Amino acid sequence: QKEVEQNSGPLSVPEGAIASLNCTYSDRVSQSFFWYRQYSGKSPELIMSIYSNGDKEDGRFTAQLNKASQYVSLLIRDSQPSDSATYLCAVNMNEGSQGNLIFGKGTKLSVKP
Amino acid sequence: EPEVTQTPSHQVTQMGQEVILRCVPISNHLYFYWYRQILGQKVEFLVSFYNNEISEKSEIFDDQFSVERPDGSNFTLKIRSTKLEDSAMYFCASKRTGGGSQETQYFGPGTRLLVL
Repeated sequence: QKEVEQNSGPLSVPEGAIASLNCTYSDRVSQSFFWYRQYSGKSPELIMSIYSNGDKEDGRFTAQLNKASQYVSLLIRDSQPSDSATYLCAVNMNEGSQGNLIFGKGTKLSVKP
Repeated sequence: EPEVTQTPSHQVTQMGQEVILRCVPISNHLYFYWYRQILGQKVEFLVSFYNNEISEKSEIFDDQFSVERPDGSNFTLKIRSTKLEDSAMYFCASKRTGGGSQETQYFGPGTRLLVL
């Protein structure tokens, strides 16, 4: 069974702090990794994608991937109350182009003003 | 910016009835997906569709489900005989090309289905 695991939280951080979200996955041949943000009752919205080991930065967001440890993380710097949402880790575990995503349950982030 | 659209936004139906959920993927996208999310649970893959046929389907996508691309723009999910446990948010997603696993899937706003 292919699994993506996330701490469900809630993770509470003060405004301006760094929020650190973690995800592990079960399938070593997984190819691509995505972080989506989901506000309550809304659809997933892509934040970042990462494919290679190491760090990838985009504005206040940094994704980190360690394939040897089967671990991917998302750092949010200078957290804002508007960042309060559930963050979904999604993994494409197939090499083929169809690429259906396996999602974790999500980590609920609360940024306190 | 192009978006995936879905109709209706909400659907209430009686158990045993058929429902059709509709999606209009982004116009130059070629790969289409349906996912569902039961309230409070994770997003689950149902089916992927390419070149007018199903590419992959999950264990959830049993004989009561079907998908169709009836014209050049719409992509539909039909549930033939709804059950209480089909109550969920259904998301359509699309992807531009077969550029390997790195292509991003873009999600529509979802249809909230309630089966009574």
